[in-house]
Amino acid sequence: EVYLMESGGGSVQPGGSRRLSCAASGFTFSNYEMNWVRQTPGKGLEWVANISSSGDNTHYGDSVKGRFSISRDNAKTSLFLQMNSLRGDDTGVYYCASGRENGAYFHLWGQGTVVTVSS
Amino acid sequence: DIQMTQSPSTLSASVGDRVTITCRASQSIRSSLAWYQQKSGKAPKLLIYKASTLESGVPSRFSGSGSGTEFTLTISSLQPDDLATYYCQQYYSYSRTFGQGTKVEIK
Repeated sequence: EVYLMESGGGSVQPGGSRRLSCAASGFTFSNYEMNWVRQTPGKGLEWVANISSSGDNTHYGDSVKGRFSISRDNAKTSLFLQMNSLRGDDTGVYYCASGRENGAYFHLWGQGTVVTVSS
Repeated sequence: DIQMTQSPSTLSASVGDRVTITCRASQSIRSSLAWYQQKSGKAPKLLIYKASTLESGVPSRFSGSGSGTEFTLTISSLQPDDLATYYCQQYYSYSRTFGQGTKVEIK
């Protein structure tokens, strides 16, 4: 079965850190660029970060640049998002998504994991 | 960033109706546009890419058209299962951006 499954969400205080994971199964993970996309009450759907199939290249949205870091382990078919200096407007549902055509659009999504930033 | 604007924000239609959703880009994105369907509590699902190419397994009542700055998603005959919010997304710019969504309600 083809799926992506996120984990690691939860409650965190402002200024804190959290690491999200995404386990992939049923497809050749190392062939695909991977992304994190979040859905927040304030901005709706927002692309967060992208990583190339090899892991050599990464890109970030302006709102998370310098605070978040995306990485992957192709041997373990896993994707990660390290989130630091968290703010209230980072609250939302975080999805991992695989991208076709060099990560352009998102053809497979996980079920999402909820991150709540609050004191 | 390229801004994507959808209209209407909400629409209510009857089963069997033809439904059209519009997405406008703040600059030309050629045909670099995807459409997604999101049902309540679920992740988005890819419907259409390259503005008009139907994703495998998506019912043929869904279609997309447009290029440049104006795009449409059409449901030719609305079904109860189509109750959802629909989003457009541009991928012309590496900073991918989504529209704010159109909620489709069944009368």
